[in-house]
Amino acid sequence: DQQVKQNSPSLSVQEGRISILNCDYTNSMFDYFLWYKKYPAEGPTFLISISSIKDKNEDGRFTVFLNKSAKHLSLHIVPSQPGDSAVYFCAATSAYGGSQGNLIFGKGTKLSVKP
Amino acid sequence: EPEVTQTPSHQVTQMGQEVILRCVPISNHLYFYWYRQILGQKVEFLVSFYNNEISEKSEIFDDQFSVERPDGSNFTLKIRSTKLEDSAMYFCASRLDRLNYGYTFGSGTRLTVV
Repeated sequence: DQQVKQNSPSLSVQEGRISILNCDYTNSMFDYFLWYKKYPAEGPTFLISISSIKDKNEDGRFTVFLNKSAKHLSLHIVPSQPGDSAVYFCAATSAYGGSQGNLIFGKGTKLSVKP
Repeated sequence: EPEVTQTPSHQVTQMGQEVILRCVPISNHLYFYWYRQILGQKVEFLVSFYNNEISEKSEIFDDQFSVERPDGSNFTLKIRSTKLEDSAMYFCASRLDRLNYGYTFGSGTRLTVV
């Protein structure tokens, strides 16, 4: 039962261009969404998040967009840099539903940014 | 920057043996978690821990698993009788409070059951 889906296992972009990573979810109880970045042999690192009361959140080169009606979110990285090459995980939780905040992760998208 | 520390980084164990994976969460954090990632698969929630007790656990977290916070700093995951399918990366995570969802993850322990 894949409640959080990242349908693209990999993405390759040129340095300086925009990277767009997509994520879909099925559980309408999810109301808080996060993106994590993971390098090999390291734990996931929190990148950016968005609450369901917003449709956009921006932090420097990273912007997350949320389309609740489509149950879809995306992470935009612009401009992309070689150091952004990593696996990106989308995660969701029900922040206000009484859960203890456990995250449901997608399978990840491996981003490669070529110089 | 504060870190979540996990030891060991790699553990090899024989099937049927008990293993204890150790974590030191960030000192002022209140919520603690264990996740695992089987090779090539997604990161999966195992258990959450708050106020010295399990607050939520997944169906993966069966009777073979237990967690403990024996003192004010360590947070351990014990697998009583390991199976081959327990081979995975195990990540410990902590977060500050109920309103803060930016978990800090440790670097993980790679458990290999042979």
